[in-house]
Amino acid sequence: GAVVSQHPSRVICKSGTSVKIECRSLDFQATTMFWYRQFPKQSLMLMATSNEGSKATYEQGVEKDKFLINHASLTLSTLTVTSAHPEDSSFYICSALQGAYEQYFGPGTRLTVT
Amino acid sequence: QQQVKQSPQSLIVQKGGISIINCAYENTAFDYFPWYQQFPGKGPALLIAIRPDVSEKKEGRFTISFNKSAKQFSLHIMDSQPGDSATYFCAATQAGTALIFGKGTTLSVSS
Repeated sequence: GAVVSQHPSRVICKSGTSVKIECRSLDFQATTMFWYRQFPKQSLMLMATSNEGSKATYEQGVEKDKFLINHASLTLSTLTVTSAHPEDSSFYICSALQGAYEQYFGPGTRLTVT
Repeated sequence: QQQVKQSPQSLIVQKGGISIINCAYENTAFDYFPWYQQFPGKGPALLIAIRPDVSEKKEGRFTISFNKSAKQFSLHIMDSQPGDSATYFCAATQAGTALIFGKGTTLSVSS
């Protein structure tokens, strides 16, 4: 199956700092990638849709100035959490779209803001 | 408005038994229905998926049954094993768009 990686897997940062999370499709090109957030024992919540070479589309209630998404190549999308606060602590997961339908997820990034 | 409803929330099955998880959707424009398996602290893994022109799809011990008229689909895990203990999510989507997930089912297979 297709492989998607995320880096880092875990990150702890101080309140007010910024954190960048990378999502890479390792064995296929992905024009479209998605970023999700997951709270403990809950389902995945879509944050934004990232299209290569264009601006990301954010879901209602997601602050685009706080969660900066860049999709500069067909294999890499990045999510930057700016001026992070404790309430931003969560599990962030990306997925990459292969073809029209199949989405493959990365292993996730656990962000803890102290 | 929840577009994909999943049940049950949790499920306990004995080893060797059949696990059944059900989902219902509302949007008739959905044309791809995948199931994902997620272990704690990991990303979801694509398990099996079905298109609406097929009523059933089987891959190993995993089977999807699809009822287009009822707008329902289900996952059957045959000969359930302790290693199947995980959270399962159904989802629905259209080409090129994000997945709409159900709330998930936590499966525990007792040995």
